Amino acid sequence: GAGVSQSPSNKVTEKGKDVELRCDPISGHTALYWYRQSLGQGLEFLIYFQGNSAPDKSGLPSDRFSAERTGGSVSTLTIQRTQQEDSAVYLCASSLQAQDTQYFGPGTRLTVL
Amino acid sequence: EDKVVQSPLSLVVHEGDTVTLNCSYEVTNFRSLLWYKQEKKAPTFLFMLTSSGIEKKSGRLSSILDKKELFSILNITATQTGDSAVYLCAVAKSRAGNNRKLIWGLGTSLAVNP
Repeated sequence: GAGVSQSPSNKVTEKGKDVELRCDPISGHTALYWYRQSLGQGLEFLIYFQGNSAPDKSGLPSDRFSAERTGGSVSTLTIQRTQQEDSAVYLCASSLQAQDTQYFGPGTRLTVL
Repeated sequence: EDKVVQSPLSLVVHEGDTVTLNCSYEVTNFRSLLWYKQEKKAPTFLFMLTSSGIEKKSGRLSSILDKKELFSILNITATQTGDSAVYLCAVAKSRAGNNRKLIWGLGTSLAVNP
């Protein structure tokens, strides 16, 4: 079946603009995770969804970052008033409920000029 | 504070060599340890280990977990240029509810030269 998909694959924006990143998880996967990976760095957890609720938002770096998930499927990560330090690859992963193995999408490379 | 440490940070070998990558952890309420391979953007799943001493094997790759000494190794035999990637180690904790947020190491960057 289809894997995790993300769009866009690349996004270049100007400082101060808002951006929306989309994640479409594997069908039937109720858990969804957003991560950020800056150049040469490890994976930084942002937020976890179980169904449409987000019981763990502890990794969101500031109130400029928000995420939602609708219908227990597609999720959108929104970054408002982007800053240059937001430049990174944003990765989405999904998993079956209560399973440890996460399956990753191809990521969105965000560049803030 | 929970942490996962991988070593070495980077490694350069020749095709045909055997490599061993290390992952040590200090994590409360350990549940499982996972290995991923990251070539361009998306990490791809390799192994999940939950029990000590039981080797997981897939082709030229194998991995084992030692829960007493708190580490895991990933072995790659007869390396090929296609094995060049960053290898990531992550640990899952037992948490209330279904949250399986992983704690990630920084990875080992492996370069296999022809």
